Amino acid sequence: TQLLEQSPQFLSIQEGENLTVYCNSSSVFSSLQWYRQEPGEGPVLLVTVVTGGEVKKLKRLTFQFGDARKDSSLHITAAQTGDTGLYLCAALNTDKLIFGTGTRLQVFP
Amino acid sequence: DAMVIQNPRYQVTQFGKPVTLSCSQTLNHNVMYWYQQKSSQAPKLLFHYYDKDFNNEADTPDNFQSRRPNTSFCFLDIRSPGLGDAAMYLCATSRFRGGEQFFGPGTRLTVL
Repeated sequence: TQLLEQSPQFLSIQEGENLTVYCNSSSVFSSLQWYRQEPGEGPVLLVTVVTGGEVKKLKRLTFQFGDARKDSSLHITAAQTGDTGLYLCAALNTDKLIFGTGTRLQVFP
Repeated sequence: DAMVIQNPRYQVTQFGKPVTLSCSQTLNHNVMYWYQQKSSQAPKLLFHYYDKDFNNEADTPDNFQSRRPNTSFCFLDIRSPGLGDAAMYLCATSRFRGGEQFFGPGTRLTVL
């Protein structure tokens, strides 16, 4: 079973701080996705990265796909309380999404 | 707005009492998925339909069944819910297999 390990599992920070979430695997993926899930809601797709070494920016969020396409990172600059939620990386395996173990982020005012 | 709708948002049932969760979509997507998500864990795929073709995950218990009467609707039936089946159940759709998945808001199931 291909496993996507995320770290840290939990993160609690204050508004204005920067943070990085990691998603690692021993498998190579053709693409990797990042989702954010707010309490009581379904996951919402943030970005898909496809090319090894690719960097994508979404406002204060920066996503990077590792050169070997086995890992990815999500960096948030100047976190806001609205960034609070569960962050999930996910990869396609034979047309099915395999989700990472998740990182629960809490941003305090 | 095109979307994925799940009803009800909260469902309470008794141990062993059958329950049905509903999902509908206005996206006209070919693929519909059901996931189970327990507290602070990642969603776990139970099964999916590609059009009318049903695909069960190997480790999905027999207690879980699904029906897709038409493109727009998909149901999750839990025949005899146990305490361990209490979870958030997420429905998702995609235009094609391997395509971007759009998730509904989920149904939180409580088993008493």
